Amino acid sequence: EPEVTQTPSHQVTQMGQEVILRCVPISNHLYFYWYRQILGQKVEFLVSFYNNEISEKSEIFDDQFSVERPDGSNFTLKIRSTKLEDSAMYFCASSLSGGNGYTFGSGTRLTVV
Amino acid sequence: GEDVEQSLFLSVREGDSSVINCTYTDSSSTYLYWYKQEPGAGLQLLTYIFSNMDMKQDQRLTVLLNKKDKHLSLRIADTQTGDSAIYFCAENQPKAAGNKLTFGGGTRVLVKP
Repeated sequence: EPEVTQTPSHQVTQMGQEVILRCVPISNHLYFYWYRQILGQKVEFLVSFYNNEISEKSEIFDDQFSVERPDGSNFTLKIRSTKLEDSAMYFCASSLSGGNGYTFGSGTRLTVV
Repeated sequence: GEDVEQSLFLSVREGDSSVINCTYTDSSSTYLYWYKQEPGAGLQLLTYIFSNMDMKQDQRLTVLLNKKDKHLSLRIADTQTGDSAIYFCAENQPKAAGNKLTFGGGTRVLVKP
């Protein structure tokens, strides 16, 4: 069964550093997403991406965040200057259509120290 | 905005049925989902229901939807120890340019032998 692949599985970074979280969505999917889950809290929507542009973003997704689909296969989330409160599990997801059928990756646990 | 609420914890004996409840506020929700998250793992889609249905059965899983009360439940028949996990209810309203999911806080299910 096709999978969404995320790397790395765990990243530790110093406060103020830039991080890039990587995702390989399912190859024929058209919609791409990032979500995050702070430990013990809800899974929160960050951003959706369709047709090479951001289609929707949440209040969390401020100027520190950016997304890119640099080639035909990768979808990245960049955090420019990490803060302690960015520590969370970050999930990438993709879907073929704008309806149902999300597939989530296994997540990247980001720890900012 | 949209809000999805779940109870925090459910303990059940192996072989019994589990019922996990969820309430949501947005009457325009189109799809309602149940995801399972095992420790350290990603979000696995268990099942979903379209808003014009009131019941869906898939092997041991039964989803009931009460649109009037905005109440969704997931029944797991013959609960096994492998069903121990966090279960998330989620909803969305698909749009042309993407469809963010709004998650509940998750219900931790503990299955006792």
